[in-house]
Parts: sequence; C-alpha cells; structure tokens
Amino acid sequence: DAKTTQPNSMESNEEEPVHLPCNHSTISGTDYIHWYRQLPSQGPEYVIHGLTSNVNNRMASLAIAEDRKSSTLILHRATLRDAAVYYCILRDAFGNEKLTFGTGTRLTIIP
Amino acid sequence: EAEVAQSPRYKITEKSQAVAFWCDPISGHATLYWYRQILGQGPELLVQFQDESVVDDSQLPKDRFSAERLKGVDSTLKIQPAELGDSAMYLCASSEGTSPLLEQYFGPGTRLTVT
Repeated sequence: DAKTTQPNSMESNEEEPVHLPCNHSTISGTDYIHWYRQLPSQGPEYVIHGLTSNVNNRMASLAIAEDRKSSTLILHRATLRDAAVYYCILRDAFGNEKLTFGTGTRLTIIP
Repeated sequence: EAEVAQSPRYKITEKSQAVAFWCDPISGHATLYWYRQILGQGPELLVQFQDESVVDDSQLPKDRFSAERLKGVDSTLKIQPAELGDSAMYLCASSEGTSPLLEQYFGPGTRLTVT
C-alpha cells in the first residue's frame, strides 16, 4: 500500500478553520485519498474521500494538489467536538481494498 | 441512524484464559471487519468477511485467534489463550460491500485488558 505522512499533532482555536495536511508522494493514478477520524474512546468514522478534484461534504472539505502528491483536510469552523485523531489513507480503487491506518494527526481544539 | 453494535465494551481477563467478543453489523452490510488497535497506534485489520466467508485473515494470529460469521450476519472473535500482549481495543466495522470506495462504519470497540 502507498504511504502517507502526517504531522503527529496540531492545535487550533475553537471556531477557527483547521487545515490538516497529508503528503503522499508515491500515490498512484488509481489511489483514492480517504480521511477518517477517531474521537476519544470511539471507533473511527469516515470523513471524506476524493481522487483528483476538491470535495466538499457536511463535515469537511478535501483539497487535493494538482500533482496529487499532497492533500489537505479542511474543517471550516472547528468545534470542541472535532478534537480527534485524523487519519489520511490511500486506497487503490482496483486493488487491495484494505484500510491501512497510520498513526494520524492528533488535533487539539483550544477553547 | 443504524450503528455497529459490539459487546462487551470492556473486558478484563487473566492470561491463559479464553475471551470472546461479539459484533452485530449494520443490517444489510455484507462485509464485516475485525481490527485491533494498540494504544497510540492506528487500527490494524485482523480479518475480513464477505457474508460468511473469510476474505482476508493474513494478519490474524491463527494459533490463538479465531473468527466466525456463521450466518453471514453477526460475528464472534475469540482469543484462546489470551496473552499480555493482546491488551488492546478490538474494533468491528461493516460496509455494504468490498469496494474500496465504500465507507466503513465502525462500532465503539471492546477494550481488552489482559492481566
């Protein structure tokens, strides 16, 4: 599976936008970029995924670099409930569909 | 909103004892996953079922771990005998199918402590 690199931790103020980066320099043409997050004492939950174009949903936005070697998960207005570990994961659309989690980015929201 | 159910939420057992975890996926979800998450790390896939069949158990320590999904609905993960290193969170997830584009829905997990 292709690898991703994320900062171990980040902090952000409540009600401010948050930009969580992910590097994936060895991404292949059929790899989708998925984001999951894990709130304290809970199982992971799906956030968003994309291939080439930027994506928006009710939870977040995903901005994908033109060369696809990096992406950014954007939380437009962070709340205390967004404090979690965020995982950036690559999944080949036509290959092994296993979700391979790294250590993710631990996001702390400052009230 | 439909959820993946797991029980128990917490389990403390002594090493060399047997322990079992249960998972009930979202109704209609054909694919079921068991993950193990060691503190400070991301979840790691142990076994994947498609209906009642095992699709991937390459990371399952088969000398002590077993998993079944007899009727293709709920599933049980068993450890016998438990070892100290098995202390972890055991997560169950389900999805509508095996496509990598499908979202996986996770349960709350079972936290196992082996003493």
